[in-house]
Amino acid sequence: EVVMTQSPATLFVSPGERATLSCRASQSVGSNLAWYQQKPGQAPRLLVYGASTRATGIPARFSGSGSGTEFTLTISSLQSEDFALYYCHQYYNWPPMYTFGQGTKLEIK
Amino acid sequence: QVHLQGSGPGLVKPSETLSLICTVSGGSLSSSNYYWGWFRQVPGKGLEWIASIYFSGTTYYNPSLQSRVTISLDTSKNQFSLRLSSVTAADTAVYYCASKDYDILTTYKYWGQGTLVTVSS
Repeated sequence: EVVMTQSPATLFVSPGERATLSCRASQSVGSNLAWYQQKPGQAPRLLVYGASTRATGIPARFSGSGSGTEFTLTISSLQSEDFALYYCHQYYNWPPMYTFGQGTKLEIK
Repeated sequence: QVHLQGSGPGLVKPSETLSLICTVSGGSLSSSNYYWGWFRQVPGKGLEWIASIYFSGTTYYNPSLQSRVTISLDTSKNQFSLRLSSVTAADTAVYYCASKDYDILTTYKYWGQGTLVTVSS
């Protein structure tokens, strides 16, 4: 099983500033890495897939980068609605054995 | 746009079988364009993949749950379902149904609203 490790667990950032979230895979997952945003009581929302491709309707301030085992989600200028939980997710294996990171909580500084 | 609506009992007794249904609109379970899946999230914890199924009926299971899980399609109703047997308190979670395009370069994009299932006597 590919173990996904996110850091930090909690990130405090002021509105308008940049946030950088990290995700590390225990083995290479190529570019088969996605980022989800989740708010309380809601389902996960796909932000980025293929490590760097924004999903439909996702604002340009969200950008993903990385490949192999190291990945980053950057939110360039935080809006109030961006304070939420973020999960990375690998979908490299076939047959599938999808796994997720434990999440990074983005909080207002 | 695919819309998913999960449903099922919110309370299941220990050792019994949890059964959930996901009703799909905006996409056909008979289409080769989609995979369908179930995930769960223990309250306050992370996400766990449970199982996936393709229109052909080919199934994929998380090895940690495989012995207790069945995923199936009902194309006549455009629904897919999850059965998890011999449940314990550790199976208490919000269960999500979701879909992904056939494209191997992408992952689950459309998610249902989630169904909280509590295992308790």
